[in-house]
Amino acid sequence: NAGVTQTPKFQVLKTGQSMTLQCAQDMNHEYMSWYRQDPGMGLRLIHYSVGAGITDQGEVPNGYNVSRSTTEDFPLRLLSAAPSQTSVYFCASRGKGAFGNTIYFGEGSWLTVV
Amino acid sequence: EDKVVQSPLSLVVHEGDTVTLNCSYEVTNFRSLLWYKQEKKAPTFLFMLTPSGIEKKSGRLSSILDKKELFSILNITATQTGDSAIYLCAVEDGSGTYKYIFGTGTRLKVLA
Repeated sequence: NAGVTQTPKFQVLKTGQSMTLQCAQDMNHEYMSWYRQDPGMGLRLIHYSVGAGITDQGEVPNGYNVSRSTTEDFPLRLLSAAPSQTSVYFCASRGKGAFGNTIYFGEGSWLTVV
Repeated sequence: EDKVVQSPLSLVVHEGDTVTLNCSYEVTNFRSLLWYKQEKKAPTFLFMLTPSGIEKKSGRLSSILDKKELFSILNITATQTGDSAIYLCAVEDGSGTYKYIFGTGTRLKVLA
């Protein structure tokens, strides 16, 4: 079972470059999200989606955008990378419905912007 | 603004000790509270607590939810070095967005 798959695992970017972090899930989950994790800051929500064609901003959306053209994929785009975007990024997904559902995380993408 | 606060931020104990990790929350539409353990990679799920399920136990780990005082605790008894990790608390927003608000985590180090 693949679960939530993120690529790349590690990336170094120069300031001003753009890139896309890929996220795919094979559990037919409707909810997908991107978090960043910085030391002492916990996980902060960047963008999320409650279904194909629907996206919304989280707590720290600036400098990122997302799209959700299929249920499976939820890529995160860095438009013009800045050193402040050096972080660990986690994609997560959740099935729709009531209690008993929890979120599943990808393995993380370590991004360094120099 | 919704928030989740964990304490302490970090903790160092010796093997065999018992630890209590705290999570308090102020979330307008509370649906559930989750605990995760994070080692070097992605967080792994420990417990989900809901208004109808306020106590959970698995081996040496247990957790309770106080719906009135808006907090949860995670207890680990007879700690082992393998318990060393960051423990994250998250509250699910029940307004239909399926958003999760995470605390900053408690970094636990268990010394042999």
